[in-house]
Amino acid sequence: DIQMTQSPSSLSASVGDRVTITCRASQSISNYLNWYQQKPGKAPKVLIYPASSLQSGVPSRFSGSGSGTDFTLTISSLQPEDFATYYCQQSYSTPWTFGQGTKVEI
Amino acid sequence: QLQLVQSGTEVKKPGASVKVSCKASGYAFTSYGISWVRQAPGQGLEWMGWISPYNGDTHYPQKFQGRVTLTTDTSTSTAYMELRSLKSDDTAVYYCARNVGQTVATGGWFDPWGQGTLVTVSS
Repeated sequence: DIQMTQSPSSLSASVGDRVTITCRASQSISNYLNWYQQKPGKAPKVLIYPASSLQSGVPSRFSGSGSGTDFTLTISSLQPEDFATYYCQQSYSTPWTFGQGTKVEI
Repeated sequence: QLQLVQSGTEVKKPGASVKVSCKASGYAFTSYGISWVRQAPGQGLEWMGWISPYNGDTHYPQKFQGRVTLTTDTSTSTAYMELRSLKSDDTAVYYCARNVGQTVATGGWFDPWGQGTLVTVSS
């Protein structure tokens, strides 16, 4: 199975800050990496697929990059509504696996 | 509009089975696979399996082989997930999600997700 490791596990930042979350795969997954945002009590929502395409309706302050084993999700200017947990997920091979999550606190 | 609506909260005893439904609307049901993902309280996301409503093909991770069965009813655009021999650590919110951008070799991404169904396993 491909292991996905996110860092950090949590972070605290201020409104307007630039925030970067990293995700590392245990083997190359090309660009088959998706990012999700989950708010408390809600289902996850896709933000970025695969690796760098922004989902329709997602603010342009979110961006993704990377290929192979190393990927990043960047929030260019953190907003109060961005308080959430973010997950990466590989779809390169089954079992499709998620990172452990990064909790962003404002 | 495009959405997946799941059945309600379940409380089960250890050893029992649970069957959760996921009704799709707003798109051609047989054109996209459906995955199931669970989330234990305070924990991360775990993929449980995939089904093609087009031909009934399924794929389960080894962890759930033999204990999970995914089915669909194309006449009602509904997907089902049955989990048997429930244990206390099966207590979780169970989500269905549509696979988008899937190819023969890769899984695409999950969008949208159902609202989630809480399954509590307790004696």
